[in-house]
Amino acid sequence: AQSVTQLDSQVPVFEEAPVELRCNYSSSVSVYLFWYVQYPNQGLQLLLKYLSGSTLVKGINGFEAEFNKSQTSFHLRKPSVHISDTAEYFCAAASSGNTGKLIFGQGTTLQVKP
Amino acid sequence: NAGVTQTPKFQVLKTGQSMTLQCAQDMNHEYMSWYRQDPGMGLRLIHYSVGAGITDQGEVPNGYNVSRSTTEDFPLRLLSAAPSQTSVYFCASSNRLSGNTIYFGEGSWLTVV
Repeated sequence: AQSVTQLDSQVPVFEEAPVELRCNYSSSVSVYLFWYVQYPNQGLQLLLKYLSGSTLVKGINGFEAEFNKSQTSFHLRKPSVHISDTAEYFCAAASSGNTGKLIFGQGTTLQVKP
Repeated sequence: NAGVTQTPKFQVLKTGQSMTLQCAQDMNHEYMSWYRQDPGMGLRLIHYSVGAGITDQGEVPNGYNVSRSTTEDFPLRLLSAAPSQTSVYFCASSNRLSGNTIYFGEGSWLTVV
């Protein structure tokens, strides 16, 4: 069965520092991979997605992620974070034939400190 | 362009009551899904559908029913609400023709007392 693991439940970081949020997936089939952000009491916003092609994916708000098939990872990075990036981040995977069935990681809370 | 519309946004139920969370999309998407979000557990798939008349169970289907009589609508029914069903519920839709972009509703906050 497909699963997604986010390796850190909380990541504290100072403003303007770089950050990496880690995500590993397990799947025996081709996958699509996604990162979502959720601000307090709000819905989900798509940051970026990997469907195929280039393994480095650029998203909104300066975020990027790298798909690594050999390590089954899809880590999210940002070179310099802002206070406004404080939120919960979710990694998710779907089999390439069915995006109606997303499997989410447990979430990582990014806490940006001044 | 309404996207994915969920109603109600907030609901308080008593244990044992039944209710339906409504979800509608106006993008002619083939895939629709329901997720619940609980602290520390991310979002978990309850039920999903790959087209009208076709539904399947996700990770946590117990206590919930769904049907997909039209492409647009995918209601989630709680048959006999329990406090363990207190959660935030999200509906989503997508299809291959939209580049596999998955659209989420704004969420429904449900409390069972």
